[in-house]
Amino acid sequence: AQSVTQLGSHVSVSEGALVLLRCNYSSSVPPYLFWYVQYPNQGLQLLLKYTTGATLVKGINGFEAEFKKSETSFHLTKPSAHMSDAAEYFCAVSRSAGNNRKLIWGLGTSLAVNP
Amino acid sequence: SQTIHQWPATLVQPVGSPLSLECTVEGTSNPNLYWYRQAAGRGLQLLFYSVGIGQISSEVPQNLSASRPQDRQFILSSKKLLLSDSGFYLCAWTLSGGSLRYEQYFGPGTRLTVT
Repeated sequence: AQSVTQLGSHVSVSEGALVLLRCNYSSSVPPYLFWYVQYPNQGLQLLLKYTTGATLVKGINGFEAEFKKSETSFHLTKPSAHMSDAAEYFCAVSRSAGNNRKLIWGLGTSLAVNP
Repeated sequence: SQTIHQWPATLVQPVGSPLSLECTVEGTSNPNLYWYRQAAGRGLQLLFYSVGIGQISSEVPQNLSASRPQDRQFILSSKKLLLSDSGFYLCAWTLSGGSLRYEQYFGPGTRLTVT
């Protein structure tokens, strides 16, 4: 069965510091991987996704993630944190269920950015 | 472009009262539709998904039901609300078809408080 683990439910960084949010997955087939961001009281917004091809994926707001098959990881990074990056971040892997598709979600990581 | 709407944005209901939350999608046809719930401080729980009109799959047996009376309309209902139904309800859609590479797009959510 596929699963997603996000290490660290809360991460705190200083403004301008590196952001690293960890995501590990288990999948018996090549995965499709997603990172979403959720600001307070809002819906989720897609940051980036990995399907095939280049393993370093660039997304919106300066975020990027690298798919590492050998480590079954898809960690999210940003070189320099901004106050506006404070939000909840979710990693997900796509799986098939008949003619429908579902996302298997991690529990999320809350990112705090300190001035 | 595609747009997803949810209403109401916030709702306060007494225990035992009925519930109806509505989600509509514009700009696409025959989407897959999803209802999620987020309890405070927790991740996303998939409640229902639908691949077509009148086709509803339930993920978790509970006090809720869903219906899809039109192609781009998804309704979440309850006959009698419980305190445990409180949470943030999110509707999402994705392109239909067999590919796993398609991301889900989320609505703005409905904050439900059962008192």
